[in-house]
Amino acid sequence: NAGVTQTPKFRVLKTGQSMTLLCAQDMNHEYMYWYRQDPGMGLRLIHYSVGEGTTAKGEVPDGYNVSRLKKQNFLLGLESAAPSQTSVYFCASRRDSGTGGYTFGSGTRLTVV
Amino acid sequence: DQQVKQNSPSLSVQEGRISILNCDYTNSMFDYFLWYKKYPAEGPTFLISISSIKDKNEDGRFTVFLNKSAKHLSLHIVPSQPGDSAVYFCAANSGAGSYQLTFGKGTKLSVIP
Repeated sequence: NAGVTQTPKFRVLKTGQSMTLLCAQDMNHEYMYWYRQDPGMGLRLIHYSVGEGTTAKGEVPDGYNVSRLKKQNFLLGLESAAPSQTSVYFCASRRDSGTGGYTFGSGTRLTVV
Repeated sequence: DQQVKQNSPSLSVQEGRISILNCDYTNSMFDYFLWYKKYPAEGPTFLISISSIKDKNEDGRFTVFLNKSAKHLSLHIVPSQPGDSAVYFCAANSGAGSYQLTFGKGTKLSVIP
């Protein structure tokens, strides 16, 4: 049971390049989330999804797009990377909106130069 | 406006002593609280939780206390071990139907051998 898998684990981008981060979960969870973690800022929600085919904006959505075409996958896209998007990105999933918590992936460390 | 606050960015404790991590919240709709532990280069992992109908929950060396009137919760680790050195995030859920957890910014615990 892999849980939540994020690919890639590390990436260096040049300003203006695009990329997609992939999150896959094998727990049949309904909800999925993308967070970024920056020093002193904690975990900030970028986008989330409450089911296949749905997406919604979180606290810091600008510069990012997401898609949830399949229940098990949640993709985070950067169309034109900026140095301000240098961060560690975490994907998480949750069974439903009850009292269960999140299961997190191991993170993607992205550097934009 | 931060609804979940962890006012101590860092805490150092001697091995074998008690570690107390604090968390305050402002939203009276929060009814379920969780603590996550995060090691460097890994995703956060669930540690312990507490429902608002309880004032204490214990799991081995970890105990979470909830004071609803003060809107305050704390995580006690006894005895502290070097392997407990990590960043601890407090998180809150505002009832069934709530899509997301609200996280604090984290407290970095260092347990000194």
